[in-house]
Amino acid sequence: DTEVTQTPKHLVMGMTNKKSLKCEQHMGHRAMYWYKQKAKKPPELMFVYSYEKLSINESVPSRFSPECPNSSLLNLHLHALQPEDSALYLCASSQESISYNEQFFGPGTRLTVL
Amino acid sequence: KNQVEQSPQSLIILEGKNCTLQCNYTVSPFSNLRWYKQDTGRGPVSLTIMTFSENTKSNGRYTATLDADTKQSSLHITASQLSDSASYICVVSSGYSSASKIIFGSGTRLSIRP
Repeated sequence: DTEVTQTPKHLVMGMTNKKSLKCEQHMGHRAMYWYKQKAKKPPELMFVYSYEKLSINESVPSRFSPECPNSSLLNLHLHALQPEDSALYLCASSQESISYNEQFFGPGTRLTVL
Repeated sequence: KNQVEQSPQSLIILEGKNCTLQCNYTVSPFSNLRWYKQDTGRGPVSLTIMTFSENTKSNGRYTATLDADTKQSSLHITASQLSDSASYICVVSSGYSSASKIIFGSGTRLSIRP
């Protein structure tokens, strides 16, 4: 299985809602990533988990809260988001959190904040 | 400053024609360079990956070249198909440790017309 899956595919939420994005991989990868991508822009790194521990937080606002329950799962909890947080949220995984390891991306969750 | 620049920003060609996309980088120390294809609203999919010692790599109708001296790479698409319409992103990895970085280019949006 060489696939990274993400749910839901689309999410619309109000600014007072609490929702979660989910990501799963079964490739035995020990590094998992969250990226945010705005239209016509490259992905921007948000968080990196290595061996289920948060290793990089790229100064992301606290309204985004990542969680790695086990080596196969990665969640992104959302609370009190702003309309400018609307974007495509991509999950990726790699063997290790070393840049020369290839990252495999999921299909993304299209998030709209009203 | 580590940067990856891609040109052109967008390109329209007729189905069946060939095209070449460019990527220039100022990343040090260099680890590897990857080309990804990203369909609209989907996650990036890896096409090729090249290290310092490799100067060409093919994946079907896609051929990537790397000149590590001039820090340039190109992606050549042969006999384009409608399904090639996508954004093509050049990604350069810097360093070999857990603190190493991945730098994304802004992408080239390719449209294939029938």
